[in-house]
Amino acid sequence: DQQVKQNSPSLSVQEGRISILNCDYTNSMFDYFLWYKKYPAEGPTFLISISSIKDKNEDGRFTVFLNKSAKHLSLHIVPSQPGDSAVYFCAASRYNYGQNFVFGPGTRLSVLP
Amino acid sequence: EADIYQTPRYLVIGTGKKITLECSQTMGHDKMYWYQQDPGMELHLIHYSYGVNSTEKGDLSSESTVSRIRTEHFPLTLESARPSHTSQYLCASRKETGQNYGYTFGSGTRLTVV
Repeated sequence: DQQVKQNSPSLSVQEGRISILNCDYTNSMFDYFLWYKKYPAEGPTFLISISSIKDKNEDGRFTVFLNKSAKHLSLHIVPSQPGDSAVYFCAASRYNYGQNFVFGPGTRLSVLP
Repeated sequence: EADIYQTPRYLVIGTGKKITLECSQTMGHDKMYWYQQDPGMELHLIHYSYGVNSTEKGDLSSESTVSRIRTEHFPLTLESARPSHTSQYLCASRKETGQNYGYTFGSGTRLTVV
């Protein structure tokens, strides 16, 4: 049973608009969340993280929102750029209990010029 | 410049062959990981290590084995490759200080067993 779900396999957005990537999780004990970006034939690269004590974390064009009651997080990219076209993975962990991260299946984002 | 290196990047090998996928990191991280990913699927943890002489199996059962004799080196070995082992293998390490508790990944090895 998938503990971390990314229900949209793909998403297309116009350049300059907002991209919103969603992630749902089933384990209410998860306390730390990561977003990674992956280009073809490369390893994932870290984008942004959020702890369960926060509901928002911002880094430049990237903002992650966490809704603990809904067990949902989202990554907002504003404005979207063609270089943002990649697969985005959400990951979650019971970090404070020393558990490893569980990754979702990813969402492929295409930013159209 | 990459701080974690995986070789080879691509490998096509015949059934029954023994192979070792190399992973080295220069960051001094204690924790290292191997993930397996099929196209369009999530990353599955197959092995991890919390330090020298420490190795554990991950969430996904794997016929591969790993060793951790040095902090910087975490090779993965398949004694007898099969077509079902065809996948992408990603090595990662992790630091636990500062804001980023996440992984640094290598570029991956795409393995095809024919």
